[in-house]
Amino acid sequence: GQQLNQSPQSMFIQEGEDVSMNCTSSSIFNTWLWYKQDPGEGPVLLIALYKAGELTSNGRLTAQFGITRKDSFLNISASIPSDVGIYFCAGAADNYGQNFVFGPGTRLSVLP
Amino acid sequence: GAVVSQHPSWVICKSGTSVKIECRSLDFQATTMFWYRQFPKQSLMLMATSNEGSKATYEQGVEKDKFLINHASLTLSTLTVTSAHPEDSSFYICSALKGVGDEQYFGPGTRLTVT
Repeated sequence: GQQLNQSPQSMFIQEGEDVSMNCTSSSIFNTWLWYKQDPGEGPVLLIALYKAGELTSNGRLTAQFGITRKDSFLNISASIPSDVGIYFCAGAADNYGQNFVFGPGTRLSVLP
Repeated sequence: GAVVSQHPSWVICKSGTSVKIECRSLDFQATTMFWYRQFPKQSLMLMATSNEGSKATYEQGVEKDKFLINHASLTLSTLTVTSAHPEDSSFYICSALKGVGDEQYFGPGTRLTVT
């Protein structure tokens, strides 16, 4: 079946630094979503991407839908302590939002 | 907005008993809801897709007689873990689809501990 890989698996950065993580797939997706999960809570949607090449920002977060439709990137600028959490990417091959596949997540730690 | 709630947030039950978890979309109608399970330090694993008024579609390896799903209205889906065992202990998260082609909105999760 479809699988997503996320890189890096985990990362430790200093407060104020920029962060970059990516999500790759062996198959083509039509939709990419990025979620953040805080400990003990459900994932919260950060950014949704629907078109190859699309670049979307949400505050300090920027995500891009790879031109090959097999990858997506999430960047966080000027990280702050509350950015700590697990970032999941999710991709769907269909256009109905039903068949999403989740990546294993990138665990982000921000050191003060 | 798109708010999804789950009840309860945390439940501890004895082995052999059944537990019902509710998932509600508070400010929108959701034709489709999803149930996920998440083990510690792992990603979300889709258990089943729940469509209002019809039978749920279960992912391979998920026992439909053990994890009963009922999507009786456009704002409520329930997951009942029947005859729970310690290995069923996990974090169960639901999500709701706001519209066709829309994003999934997640509930806060329910932590189940079976003793």
